Amino acid sequence: ETGVTQSPTHLIKTRGQQVTLRCSSQSGHNTVSWYQQALGQGPQFIFQYYREEENGRGNFPPRFSGLQFPNYSSELNVNALELDDSALYLCASSGDRGGSPLHFGNGTRLTVT
Amino acid sequence: SQKIEQNSEALNIQEGKTATLTCNYTNYSPAYLQWYRQDPGRGPVFLLLIRENEKEKRKERLKVTFDTTLKQSLFHITASQPADSATYLCAGRDDKIIFGKGTRLHILP
Repeated sequence: ETGVTQSPTHLIKTRGQQVTLRCSSQSGHNTVSWYQQALGQGPQFIFQYYREEENGRGNFPPRFSGLQFPNYSSELNVNALELDDSALYLCASSGDRGGSPLHFGNGTRLTVT
Repeated sequence: SQKIEQNSEALNIQEGKTATLTCNYTNYSPAYLQWYRQDPGRGPVFLLLIRENEKEKRKERLKVTFDTTLKQSLFHITASQPADSATYLCAGRDDKIIFGKGTRLHILP
């Protein structure tokens, strides 16, 4: 069983740039969700995809967008980067839309300068 | 606003003792609560899930309770070991998931 993998592990961008983060979900999982975790904070829900459709979104502006592909892998895109976007971005997969445990990757550490 | 609150201060426990972590929720009625462990530089790892109609769940040295009257969950680690040192996250799930900030647990040898 392959776990959740994220790439890249670290990334440095400049304010105003755009970034794409990638996630491969655990085999057999059709739901992917993304989280932003600032230092010393808990993960904050960004959005969730189920079978290639967004089906839940947290309090994040539209410059945070995503995609899920037919193989259930996913991308998180952030446009017009701001300094406050610096954080650990976590991807999690689960077996259905509901209450199944989340299986997290180890995240992408994004630094915006 | 909906909140999941955990004691954000670090908790120091002597090896062999029971560690008890608290999770309170406000303006929110989660259908279930989940507990995760997170080590530095790593993603959270799922530990236990408890539903609102369950009072208690156990898994090896771990026990979690869910009190809908107090709006609180307690997470216990019995016979604690230094390897249990980590940050523990509580998450409530209803139509969306909300995480607490986590509690850093240090088990002292």
